[in-house]
Amino acid sequence: DVVMTQTPLSLPVSLGDQASISCRSSQSLVHSNGNTYLHWYLQKPGQSPKLLIYKVSNRFSGVPDRFSGSGSGTDFTLKISRVEAEDLGVYFCSQSTHVPTWTFGGGTKLEIK
Amino acid sequence: EIQLQQSGPELVKPGASVKVSCKASGYSFTDYNMYWVKQSHGKSLEWIGYIDPYNGGTSYNQKFKGKATLTVDKSSSTAFMHLNSLTSEDSAVYYCARSEDGYSYAMDYWGQGTSVTVSS
Repeated sequence: DVVMTQTPLSLPVSLGDQASISCRSSQSLVHSNGNTYLHWYLQKPGQSPKLLIYKVSNRFSGVPDRFSGSGSGTDFTLKISRVEAEDLGVYFCSQSTHVPTWTFGGGTKLEIK
Repeated sequence: EIQLQQSGPELVKPGASVKVSCKASGYSFTDYNMYWVKQSHGKSLEWIGYIDPYNGGTSYNQKFKGKATLTVDKSSSTAFMHLNSLTSEDSAVYYCARSEDGYSYAMDYWGQGTSVTVSS
């Protein structure tokens, strides 16, 4: 299975700061069709995960433009340009290139410094 | 509005089985695969498997073969996950999520989760 490794485990930030989360895969996530199926989710406390970014850099419907995704191959980054209180929670990366096994990263907890 | 409404929390005894439901609304049920995901103790997420509601075809994570069985009832737009021979290791929150397979292959809408607690 493809192993997804996220860093850091915990990210203390001040409101208004920029935040950056890294996700690394054990194999390239470039599919034979040329697409890269790397996605980002946010799970707020007591809630189910919500899709933020799909296919590396595409914001899902309703996601603010302060969220951006980038990367290629095995290294990917989620950036939040100006952290707001509603952004706090656990962020997960996930791959669906190497199906039929979808895998998730261990999560990064974004919290107030 | 797209919604996935899951059944309520379950407390079950070791060795028993449980069936979790996920009722979809706001979209064409048979147009999207339904995935199931396990989250143990608030930690990370594990993909259990998915079902194609159109034809009932399934795919399972090797780890959950023999543990989980996925089915659907098209008439009520409801997906089900049956878990058998439960142990404490099966205590977790289980989510259903639909996936935009054929385009993004991302789980774009999730249910609210069903807590399953295995205890005597």
